[in-house]
Amino acid sequence: AQSVTQLGSHVSVSEGALVLLRCNYSSSVPPYLFWYVQYPNQGLQLLLKYTSAATLVKGINGFEAEFKKSETSFHLTKPSAHMSDAAEYFCAVSDKNTGFQKLVFGTGTRLLVSP
Amino acid sequence: DVKVTQSSRYLVKRTGEKVFLECVQDMDHENMFWYRQDPGLGLRLIYFSYDVKMKEKGDIPEGYSVSREKKERFSLILESASTNQTSMYLCASSFSGGGNQPQHFGDGTRLSIL
Repeated sequence: AQSVTQLGSHVSVSEGALVLLRCNYSSSVPPYLFWYVQYPNQGLQLLLKYTSAATLVKGINGFEAEFKKSETSFHLTKPSAHMSDAAEYFCAVSDKNTGFQKLVFGTGTRLLVSP
Repeated sequence: DVKVTQSSRYLVKRTGEKVFLECVQDMDHENMFWYRQDPGLGLRLIYFSYDVKMKEKGDIPEGYSVSREKKERFSLILESASTNQTSMYLCASSFSGGGNQPQHFGDGTRLSIL
């Protein structure tokens, strides 16, 4: 079965610093990969997705993620953190071998941004 | 923009009650999903539906049932609520056509069972 590991339940950065949120998946066949963000008291919002086109994927709000097959990773980055980036971030994977979408989510990483 | 609307943001019910959580989407999506979100566990799939009157169990269906009588509406039912079902419940929808379709989420219902 597919699984997703997000290293670090909490990540703290200063405003203006690099943001790096880690995600590793377990699959012998590269899956579809997604990053979602959840702001307080809201549902999840899609940041970006990887569907086997370019390995570097750009998303909303200045975030991007790079798919690395050799490392089974899909880490999320942003060059310069802003206070408004404080939220919880979820990595999710969907199996390409099924014709139906079923997402498996990681346990989430809470990003804290200090002034 | 896709709109997924959950009927209640906060709900308080008592143990043993039958509880209904409602979800409506306005984008003619074929697929609809119910998740529960708990700290440290991420999102776990309870049930999903890929068509009207069709339903499939997810990873944690015990104690829950669902209903999809119309394409736009997907209801989650707690048959006899228990305190361990206190959680955040999220509804989502997506187009069919394979695993590369993103899911669109509602704002969630925070359910407390006393």
